Amino acid sequence: DTGVSQDPRHKITKRGQNVTFRCDPISEHNRLYWYRQTLGQGPEFLTYFQNEAQLEKSRLLSDRFSAERPKGSFSTLEIQRTEQGDSAMYLCASSLNTGGVNEKLFFGSGTQLSVL
Amino acid sequence: AQTVTQSQPEMSVQEAETVTLSCTYDTSESDYYLFWYKQPPSRQMILVIRQEAYKQQNATENRFSVNFQKAAKSFSLKISDSQLGDAAMYFCAYRRYSGGGADGLTFGKGTHLIIQP
Repeated sequence: DTGVSQDPRHKITKRGQNVTFRCDPISEHNRLYWYRQTLGQGPEFLTYFQNEAQLEKSRLLSDRFSAERPKGSFSTLEIQRTEQGDSAMYLCASSLNTGGVNEKLFFGSGTQLSVL
Repeated sequence: AQTVTQSQPEMSVQEAETVTLSCTYDTSESDYYLFWYKQPPSRQMILVIRQEAYKQQNATENRFSVNFQKAAKSFSLKISDSQLGDAAMYFCAYRRYSGGGADGLTFGKGTHLIIQP
């Protein structure tokens, strides 16, 4: 068990470019979450997957954002036509849910996005 | 919508002393979970302690304990015998209980804890 892995750790891009982040959850974890954290703030929920199904999306997730988890394992978060306001740290978390009561989230170290 | 408020942007404590971090929240739900997470410079969020709202007994994990006041919607974290490794950002978080479903965590803005040797 190597924990939740996120790649890349840092990403610098120019406004208008597309970027894609990857998250590898802990193996056999059936839930995967994406959060966004801006400077001086706590993380904000974006979306989550139960296996390969995307079950909930925050209002923060505009049309420029898309997330996938094609085989119920790793997930990608793509941002199209990036804007300076997208600059933030994008955190991924995973969990093994067997009923919801004692679910524990394990977080990765995040991808820091800077849009110039 | 649920909100979580941490009114202390920064706290400082001497090593080996006790410190209490404050958190209040607003919800109309009766069943929910509350959490304290630690975020060190490595940026990885680490669960410190959790509390189920239906439990009256305050949760405890070694040197970490909470004071959960449901009526007052208050959820403070007490760290006893503070250690240098406790230095980090601490986030209070709320999660609605939704049976087998899931909801995203709602986080406060965090408290930066400084441990003075």
